[in-house]
Amino acid sequence: GQSLEQPSEVTAVEGAIVQINCTYQTSGFYGLSWYQQHDGGAPTFLSYNALDGLEETGRFSSFLSRSDSYGYLLLQELQMKDSASYFCAVSRGSSTLGRLYFGRGTQLTVWP
Amino acid sequence: EAGVAQSPRYKIIEKRQSVAFWCNPISGHATLYWYQQILGQGPKLLIQFQNNGVVDDSQLPKDRFSAERLKGVDSTLKIQPAKLEDSAVYLCASSLIRGPNTGELFFGEGSRLTVL
Repeated sequence: GQSLEQPSEVTAVEGAIVQINCTYQTSGFYGLSWYQQHDGGAPTFLSYNALDGLEETGRFSSFLSRSDSYGYLLLQELQMKDSASYFCAVSRGSSTLGRLYFGRGTQLTVWP
Repeated sequence: EAGVAQSPRYKIIEKRQSVAFWCNPISGHATLYWYQQILGQGPKLLIQFQNNGVVDDSQLPKDRFSAERLKGVDSTLKIQPAKLEDSAVYLCASSLIRGPNTGELFFGEGSRLTVL
């Protein structure tokens, strides 16, 4: 099986920086993904880390430490539209066939 | 490029009734997933198809849930009979390659089921 832990809620103000942490326990770990989901909407892919280190995509960055079974999503220059749920998800399997398992999600509220 | 299509968007049924959800993945996507998302939780993988074959259905409650993917394109998820705890959003997702080894799945808007 697998388990993922992330904070249930985070709040911040516009323009601030927020970090959402994720720790995981799983066998056959292949990579860590992050998804954003607005209320009533579909989860949308944000980033993916298979190797240790930082991946940057615009205002969002994601970090992975495989030895610590830990990752985080960093959101900079927060905007109101960033208010949403954020999920970390582990990929298990191989490079050609795998499965994606999600955490319970972190509700981010951005205040003006 | 058209996204993942799902229908119906909303369904209300009474317990012990049956329901079916339909999914049409992005054209050319070989891998299709059904996830169940209960309010306030993350999506839970129910079943994964590779073309029209089942790769993983270990978390599918097979006594009441069934899924098929004929011809390796569209898929249908059925619940019969439904229970109150099946109230959730059923998300269909697809990926281009055989597995999520880029971690990226494309999700549909989901089918919201309420069981009374």
